[in-house]
Amino acid sequence: DAKTTQPPSMDCAEGRAANLPCNHSTISGNEYVYWYRQIHSQGPQYIIHGLKNNETNEMASLIITEDRKSSTLILPHATLRDTAVYYCIVRVLASGYALNFGKGTSLLVTP
Amino acid sequence: DGGITQSPKYLFRKEGQNVTLSCEQNLNHDAMYWYRQDPGQGLRLIYYSQIVNDFQKGDIAEGYSVSREKKESFPLTVTSAQKNPTAFYLCASSVESNTEAFFGQGTRLTVV
Repeated sequence: DAKTTQPPSMDCAEGRAANLPCNHSTISGNEYVYWYRQIHSQGPQYIIHGLKNNETNEMASLIITEDRKSSTLILPHATLRDTAVYYCIVRVLASGYALNFGKGTSLLVTP
Repeated sequence: DGGITQSPKYLFRKEGQNVTLSCEQNLNHDAMYWYRQDPGQGLRLIYYSQIVNDFQKGDIAEGYSVSREKKESFPLTVTSAQKNPTAFYLCASSVESNTEAFFGQGTRLTVV
């Protein structure tokens, strides 16, 4: 699986949009971009995934650049409960491939 | 409620003892996974299983063993051969290996 690069930490004011970047310059054509988050001492939670089109669900939006070498996870109105470590993962959507987590980005949402 | 359950939440063992961590899911998922997390680090894959009676080593399988005798259960044994067993252990499952994974709440193992 391609490796990803994320900033180690970010801050965001409550109510503002949180934009979390991820670089995956070696991504292959058949690799998807996944985002998970982990609140302290809990199991990770799936947020969203995509291949090349932008995706949106009730939690977040995923913007993937046209060359697919980077992506941005957007939390449109961050709340204090969004404080967590966010992981960007790229992987083949096929049997036999598990998720490989890096160190992620620690997002702190402040009042 | 459907979900994935790990027990216990906290576990203490003496050095040199084997210990088995439980992971049960009632989601009818085929694939199950075990990860280890150390303070300030990401998750590292220990073992995973795509179907009953089959499993593969992950990146850090040494000192660990698993079994998959039932679809619902994927216990992890931390053996005395694991040199640094103190960690946070997370179990996950998914419909197949290629979809969204659901995680348990983890077991924090401390070996003294």
